[in-house]
Formats: sequence, structure tokens, C-alpha cells
Amino acid sequence: AQKITQTQPGMFVQEKEAVTLDCTYDTSDPSYGLFWYKQPSSGEMIFLIYQGSYDQQNATEGRYSLNFQKARKSANLVISASQLGDSAMYFCAMRGNNFNKFYFGSGTKLNVKP
Amino acid sequence: EAGVAQSPRYKIIEKRQSVAFWCNPISGHATLYWYQQILGQGPKLLIQFQNNGVVDDSQLPKDRFSAERLKGVDSTLKIQPAKLEDSAVYLCASSLGPGGDEKLFFGSGTQLSVL
Repeated sequence: AQKITQTQPGMFVQEKEAVTLDCTYDTSDPSYGLFWYKQPSSGEMIFLIYQGSYDQQNATEGRYSLNFQKARKSANLVISASQLGDSAMYFCAMRGNNFNKFYFGSGTKLNVKP
Repeated sequence: EAGVAQSPRYKIIEKRQSVAFWCNPISGHATLYWYQQILGQGPKLLIQFQNNGVVDDSQLPKDRFSAERLKGVDSTLKIQPAKLEDSAVYLCASSLGPGGDEKLFFGSGTQLSVL
């Protein structure tokens, strides 16, 4: 069965510091995709970063990087130099191999303190 | 490029009433998803369409929820009759489909309150 686990319901980080949001997944699919989405209080889901299961290098997008450890089945999001606007819910998601089904974790609420 | 369009943005109804939500995906996107997001939780897939066929509706409460995607473009999700526990945000998302761009594009969602 496909499953995404985010064990941190809430986190605090000081502005300008880096923060890591944890995500582990479970799948038997030979290939899959891993995603992070940001959901501010306004409610829209904003795509942040993508990692393919066969990608050799960790994905990076600006201040976001994905620490992909395939053997451990983890896909942690690292946000460098946190900004006040980073305060939001963050969801880890996995796309399975079967008909592009997406599975979401329960989310981590990040609060950036000035 | 226009994004995923959803309406209405907000809806308040009494329990046992019916309600319908509409979604127009990004042009050319073959796959359309309806998610239910209860406050404080992650999105839960209700139904997934590939063109106008259903790929997965295993978590759709079929005694009260129905969805269709006629002509493989826009889609409607209906609840009849609504229950208090249906209060949630209903998110529509679309993607190019298998072999295409990987990510999901989301609409703004419909916030439903059942009183």
C-alpha cells in the first residue's frame, strides 16, 4: 500500500535559519515521484519541488532542496534562509506508478518567527 | 496559461441539502482529481478521472457523493444529501496524465460549511 508519513505536526524556525521538514513514504512501485506543496492560510496549494525516484541528484529550486534518501524511503524538504512568508502548511506527496495516483501526507505547519 | 478554475469559492448549506461544485481543468490536462481536505488534514482523494473515465473512486461515499466529467473536460462533484461531516474544502486538481508533466495543478478550492 502507498503511504506518506509526516511526523511533525508543527514546527517553529527563526527567520533566516534553515529548517528541515520530514517525510517518509512507502511504496512497492518501481518508479514514483515525490513532491512538496505549500498551502498558505489562503488555501491554495503551491507546487514547490519534485524528485523522481530514478533521479541521481537531489532536486533544488531556489531556497528549497529535497534530501532524497531512497534506501531509507525519505524525502525531506530543506528550506534555507527562512522568511516570514514561509509560514504555511507543507505537504509531502507521492505519485504512484499506476495511473498517476497521488497520495498526500498529513502536513507540517511551519511558523517562522521574526 | 489559465489555471484550474473552481466555483463556487464558498458555500454554506443546511444538512440534508444538496450542493454541487464545478471544476474546469487546465486545457489539455487528461487527468482530473477531486480531493476533500478537512481542516488540519492532508487532501484525501475522492475521485480521479482519466479523460472521461473513472480511474479511482474507492474513497468516494457513493451513497451521497457523485461526480462526472462529461466530454473529458470540466467536471462536477455533487453531494446529496449533505452531512455535517462533509464540511471541508473541496479541491480540484489536474495534470497532463501519465507520461506528461509530473505535477498536480490545483484550483482555489470550494470551502463548504454544512450547518
